[in-house]
Amino acid sequence: DTAVSQTPKYLVTQMGNDKSIKCEQNLGHDTMYWYKQDSKKFLKIMFSYNNKELIINETVPNRFSPKSPDKAHLNLHINSLELGDSAVYFCASSRPLVRAGETQYFGPGTRLLVL
Amino acid sequence: AQSVTQLDSHVSVSEGTPVLLRCNYSSSYSPSLFWYVQHPNKGLQLLLKYTSAATLVKGINGFEAEFKKSETSFHLTKPSAHMSDAAEYFCVVSKGGATNKLIFGTGTLLAVQP
Repeated sequence: DTAVSQTPKYLVTQMGNDKSIKCEQNLGHDTMYWYKQDSKKFLKIMFSYNNKELIINETVPNRFSPKSPDKAHLNLHINSLELGDSAVYFCASSRPLVRAGETQYFGPGTRLLVL
Repeated sequence: AQSVTQLDSHVSVSEGTPVLLRCNYSSSYSPSLFWYVQHPNKGLQLLLKYTSAATLVKGINGFEAEFKKSETSFHLTKPSAHMSDAAEYFCVVSKGGATNKLIFGTGTLLAVQP
């Protein structure tokens, strides 16, 4: 009955590799997000999709490419991984914005370590 | 532009004593404010949120926060700390509009001493 799930939970890889992180939500939400948490615990939005359409794209290197095959899934593909990509990546989802302050529900995170 | 400032990076309390985690916000309009908690190696869990209804907001696990417009503050409190409250706490403001973008504070690490 997990609401927002991510796979894998841990990912250790070498510089230069390409990897993907998957996110699925079973809350029936239309909007999904990717956040990055750095080593100092600071969290920042990367991308957001609303019903498979990209609505937020922060200044993220184009090595990062989100893909939403349907509104319950938002995957993150990272090309040519760099040491600085090491972080915890969180997926989140929410209902569409019909009023201010829709709650975002977070997944457990994917801990990426690039060696 | 919206932003939040968490005034303490670390707070240490004894079990059974009150908890106060401070947060100030900046917003050009009436903000939506949240407190999230992150236990070690876990995801983020919503504690409570304010969306222009009652200024005193009650959340889960005995936490509450008061929205004070005159002080631009949204401090998180709990009357009596429990060992299980030890975690990282984030004050968050929603940018609102069509994107629901969340702006996170830098976090406050709460330690609870036995």
